[in-house]
Amino acid sequence: QVQLQESGPGLVKPSETLSLTCTVSGGSMRDYHWNWIRQPPGKGLEWIGYIYYSGSPSYNPSLKSRVTMSLATSKNQFSLKLTSVTAADTAVYYCARLIAMAGTADWFDSWGQGILVTVSS
Amino acid sequence: DIQMTQSPSSLSASVGDRVTITCRASQSIARYLSWYQQKPGKAPKLLIYAASSLQSGVPSRFSGSGSGTDFTFTISSLQPEDFASYYCQQSSSLPYTFGQGTRLEIK
Repeated sequence: QVQLQESGPGLVKPSETLSLTCTVSGGSMRDYHWNWIRQPPGKGLEWIGYIYYSGSPSYNPSLKSRVTMSLATSKNQFSLKLTSVTAADTAVYYCARLIAMAGTADWFDSWGQGILVTVSS
Repeated sequence: DIQMTQSPSSLSASVGDRVTITCRASQSIARYLSWYQQKPGKAPKLLIYAASSLQSGVPSRFSGSGSGTDFTFTISSLQPEDFASYYCQQSSSLPYTFGQGTRLEIK
């Protein structure tokens, strides 16, 4: 069974860049879309974007100007960079695997445990 | 973006109760809907995909129905471990969007 684990700094200063990595174990990254989703404390879920195993990304337009995702399949990892962070970017960040099948729904079937990133000076 | 609206936002119920949560999309999403359960401090867990398909390993007391803009999620007989928050999610078009969540509490 695939497992995902987020890693990275838990504290980032305002205006700096948030960088997180998700390590995938127990399965191949091939043929899947790899996602980042965040949840501000006490609030709902926001999809940040995904990167396909071939390297093609898609980002939420609300964050697109600040987001970059990348893939390192040799390491079974994918990464998120979010630039120019503010307090509004404080959230638990989850990585997740998307099951995407033509003609039917897409769904997030496997999630990391989440990592709290606080933006504060 | 497609807006997903869940109701109610919170709900109090007792063990053994039948509970229904609704999710409405701002435009038709066919059956491109999934449901997740989230417990405090934990990641969301997939329960239902494609509106009514039960994820492997999920108890059969959970079910989903609907198509177009209106969907329902039902727990047929609440168990103590079911007290959690529940989210719907559409995948009809990018960006994927979630409902605001329904918090299910013990009465």
